[in-house]
Amino acid sequence: EADIYQTPRYLVIGTGKKITLECSQTMGHDKMYWYQQDPGMELHLIHYSYGVNSTEKGDLSSESTVSRIRTEHFPLTLESARPSHTSQYLCASSTLAGVEETQYFGPGTRLLVL
Amino acid sequence: SQQGEEDPQALSIQEGENATMNCSYKTSINNLQWYRQNSGRGLVHLILIRSNEREKHSGRLRVTLDTSKKSSSLLITASRAADTASYFCATENYGGSQGNLIFGKGTKLSVKP
Repeated sequence: EADIYQTPRYLVIGTGKKITLECSQTMGHDKMYWYQQDPGMELHLIHYSYGVNSTEKGDLSSESTVSRIRTEHFPLTLESARPSHTSQYLCASSTLAGVEETQYFGPGTRLLVL
Repeated sequence: SQQGEEDPQALSIQEGENATMNCSYKTSINNLQWYRQNSGRGLVHLILIRSNEREKHSGRLRVTLDTSKKSSSLLITASRAADTASYFCATENYGGSQGNLIFGKGTKLSVKP
């Protein structure tokens, strides 16, 4: 098991609410990622970060935002949740040591917006 | 943008049989990786093969890469019920953002005891 944690694991919330999905890793990895994955489908990269104070948008347009104030912490925020945000959100991390880095994934957060 | 495309989408076999999954991709790559995902969980890295490698082994896993055909295969030998999971290929594209991977849709493997 990788040392990367996500909370909450499950979240059911009403439309319009603001939510923050937490992700923390204890491996000292510089690079972190957020993916969105619908059931049985591929992962889509929505945000990533090279390190503290770095945030980049991924391949899939997302209404969420991220921050990277500390190396180990990479939270994702939805200012106003909508039913279309219902999905599984996976956080991952990797080192920047080379070009052949593997990614370590958290267990995911399953979000249901009513 | 989707890069990897796994085939088949689903595979059901008996314990002890071999399972073969294929992945095709579109652009030049630095490396190709295979990940496993148990239901409702995150992904776990299985194996990485570089663009200049043709075959790699890890325990019961064997991965091949054919860059001329832009395809890879993952073979799991002597499968076990615990191998039941979804398997994804992911490519790190040549010239792309360092470390960013593009994942396929996955193959859902079911191993029956």
